[in-house]
Amino acid sequence: EVQLVESGGGLVQPGGSLRLSCTASEFILSSSAMTWVRQAPGKGLEWVSSLSRDGANTYYADSVKGRFIISRDNSKKIVYLQMNSLRAEDTALYYCANSPNSVTGSNYWGQGTLVTVSS
Amino acid sequence: QSVLTQPPSTSGTPGQRITISCSGSSSNIGSNDAYWYQQFPGTAPKLLIYRSNRRPSGVPDRFSGSKSGTSASLAISGLRSEDEADYYCAAWDDRLRGWLFGGATKLTVL
Repeated sequence: EVQLVESGGGLVQPGGSLRLSCTASEFILSSSAMTWVRQAPGKGLEWVSSLSRDGANTYYADSVKGRFIISRDNSKKIVYLQMNSLRAEDTALYYCANSPNSVTGSNYWGQGTLVTVSS
Repeated sequence: QSVLTQPPSTSGTPGQRITISCSGSSSNIGSNDAYWYQQFPGTAPKLLIYRSNRRPSGVPDRFSGSKSGTSASLAISGLRSEDEADYYCAAWDDRLRGWLFGGATKLTVL
């Protein structure tokens, strides 16, 4: 079964750090660019960051640029989102997803991991 | 504030056909494909349309997508109560070098 499972969320103080993990089926990680999308409570979807299939290219939303780092460890089948200098406005449910396959449209999402930034 | 503009809400009756618009610009929908997602409360989004007008396997053909210029549309025909959800459009933006999501359109089936 194809799965994406996020972990690492929790409560953190403003200015703190968290590292989110997204454990993926091997074939997803090897064949897809990977993306983090977040959703603040009661709000819409917001793209956070993407990583190319080969890991060579990273992309960030302006709201997180310079604070978040996306990376992947193919041997462990994990995509990471290192979040530093966290702010209250980073509070959200963070989803991991693969970019839709351009031929089949296959697209998988995790269940999300909740990050709460509060003192 | 989303650069992709969707109506915040729409409604229809069972069996009806509705459309949801997504207005962008030359740097996103005007030069790249549009994607549409469906999201029910408390669940992850589900891809409905990719590459502007293609349906992934398993998505009913009641759902269709189109694109013209800098706008995209999602059409749902034969509306059902189970279609009541939030719908989002998305597109890559060449200028921002990132993905954009529209603000959600909440569909109510009356």
